[in-house]
Amino acid sequence: GAGVSQSPSNKVTEKGKDVELRCDPISGHTALYWYRQSLGQGLEFLIYFQGNSAPDKSGLPSDRFSAERTGGSVSTLTIQRTQQEDSAVYLCASSLSQGSDTQYFGPGTRLTVL
Amino acid sequence: QQQVKQSPQSLIVQKGGIPIINCAYENTAFDYFPWYQQFPGKGPALLIAIRPDVSEKKEGRFTISFNKSAKQFSLHIMDSQPGDSATYFCAARGTGGFKTIFGAGTRLFVKA
Repeated sequence: GAGVSQSPSNKVTEKGKDVELRCDPISGHTALYWYRQSLGQGLEFLIYFQGNSAPDKSGLPSDRFSAERTGGSVSTLTIQRTQQEDSAVYLCASSLSQGSDTQYFGPGTRLTVL
Repeated sequence: QQQVKQSPQSLIVQKGGIPIINCAYENTAFDYFPWYQQFPGKGPALLIAIRPDVSEKKEGRFTISFNKSAKQFSLHIMDSQPGDSATYFCAARGTGGFKTIFGAGTRLFVKA
């Protein structure tokens, strides 16, 4: 099944290191979202891409966080100089278009910052 | 005004029981209210959704009740089964918008 895939599934890093998290959306989906899910919490919106439009970065918690989407497909979320409070599950979702109701989520990347 | 408040935080019911999860919102611009189900180690998956022009929607054993005037909506799971044990998130999205606001989640455990 060609669902949303994310890699790595788990990432353990040391405080201060940079990490890159990858998302492969469903083929043909033009909208892509990144969320952060902390333990016992809901989903916190981070960033949104729609086609070739400028991304909505309003949810990024600090300038240590950035994301790119190349060729309208694969996306990479980068966290620079990681902190312990960055530890969470990072979820990616895609939808057919901006107006589509259903978001399809990947399994997430569990990030642990020691 | 952008929050969606969800309760309870956790819920334990016997098999066959009817767990009810409640959500409340403030922003009247929200016009789409989905519920997502998440199993451990998996991403959330859309379960059922409603728009404010109807007061109730049923899909199989899952029912959403919507009270527009009270700005509240709830999920009912009929004849709950152990396989329904999961975390449930309510959410809301505004007109023509893309940003979906999620509740904090409810961990449901259905005893066999």
